Amino acid sequence: DQQVKQNSPSLSVQEGRISILNCDYTNSMFDYFLWYKKYPAEGPTFLISISSIKDKNEDGRFTVFLNKSAKHLSLHIVPSQPGDSAVYFCAASGRGSEKLVFGKGTKLTVNP
Amino acid sequence: DGGITQSPKYLFRKEGQNVTLSCEQNLNHDAMYWYRQDPGQGLRLIYYSQIVNDFQKGDIAEGYSVSREKKESFPLTVTSAQKNPTAFYLCASRMLGGFYGYTFGSGTRLTVV
Repeated sequence: DQQVKQNSPSLSVQEGRISILNCDYTNSMFDYFLWYKKYPAEGPTFLISISSIKDKNEDGRFTVFLNKSAKHLSLHIVPSQPGDSAVYFCAASGRGSEKLVFGKGTKLTVNP
Repeated sequence: DGGITQSPKYLFRKEGQNVTLSCEQNLNHDAMYWYRQDPGQGLRLIYYSQIVNDFQKGDIAEGYSVSREKKESFPLTVTSAQKNPTAFYLCASRMLGGFYGYTFGSGTRLTVV
């Protein structure tokens, strides 16, 4: 029973264009969402987060949007750069839980 | 520099042997976690600990054991009972309470030969 779903295993975009990575969740108790970026053979690094009281959070080229009614969040990267090529994990946490639940990841490739 | 250190980076084990993966953090984080990553599987939780001398099973604890004798350290033992131990293992830590994400180590690649 997958509570956090990233339905696109991979995404390819051109340098300079927008990358949109999507994530859906099923647990309505989740109230904090994060995106992590991971390069091969390295640990994930935190990218951006959003709490359920907001519907948007922006940090430089990265923006996360949260649609609570649809239980959907998305990460926008504008403009995309070749260095953004990595696997992106969506994660969620709920009240009273100290664990993060991760999606399976989306591999982003930004072509020069 | 504060951080979380996993060692070794690569580890080879013969079938039937136990092996222990090290995880140390100097971030003064309360909680520590072990995840396993397999291709196409994302990150799956093995064990976690919120306080010294206490830990809980995650989603795939069978064949693994942990200890938390010090706040800074959370070693993971992969026992011979683990049927498919070859994987990339990630350790993470976080502060408890509030909205805090994990800080991850750089991982240990375990290969059974």
